[in-house]
Amino acid sequence: GAGVSQTPSNKVTEKGKYVELRCDPISGHTALYWYRQSLGQGPEFLIYFQGTGAADDSGLPNDRFFAVRPEGSVSTLKIQRTERGDSAVYLCASSRLRGLSYNEQFFGPGTRLTVL
Amino acid sequence: KQEVTQIPAALSVPEGENLVLNCSFTDSAIYNLQWFRQDPGKGLTSLLLIQSSQREQTSGRLNASLDKSSGRSTLYIAASQPGDSATYLCAVDRNAGGTSYGKLTFGQGTILTVHP
Repeated sequence: GAGVSQTPSNKVTEKGKYVELRCDPISGHTALYWYRQSLGQGPEFLIYFQGTGAADDSGLPNDRFFAVRPEGSVSTLKIQRTERGDSAVYLCASSRLRGLSYNEQFFGPGTRLTVL
Repeated sequence: KQEVTQIPAALSVPEGENLVLNCSFTDSAIYNLQWFRQDPGKGLTSLLLIQSSQREQTSGRLNASLDKSSGRSTLYIAASQPGDSATYLCAVDRNAGGTSYGKLTFGQGTILTVHP
């Protein structure tokens, strides 16, 4: 069985551009999470989906960040008007429906975003 | 607000040593605690998950303990090997009325180097 996959693995963009990062969760996992990891730090929560809806988007830093999961599977994290401070590794994780499996989260390899 | 601290920040040991990594958290109302391993430039690999009602979990040479009341967890690695070299992260999931809250709060990690 495939794990969580993320594309692209690396993305270099210029300040002010728009980027999309994709996450494909483990089949059958209904919960999907986005985290951001800066160099030398632990990951920080951005947003959590239960099915198609965002259950908690309290970690999104500002309104330039937006995420969707229209069919309850693949998710896209969208960043508008990128800034140099957005440079980080963006990690996606998925888990089974909470309450059935103690919510162990499985992570993808991440997308390294560099804003020049 | 939950805060997670990992000590030490870095650890270098000779091959064959047994070692302990420490994790502390400020809010004891957790649903579970996960230990992860992260290799340079890679995503997170789940090592062990301890439910809030458990005291410890074991997998091979790894043993994780949890003392929820004191806000502490330890990861014990027996007979360390150079292949164990990586960053080890602990993360806690908040308890939301008896179920997973859905987002992990991470420590900054311990960078482990095992030299031959």
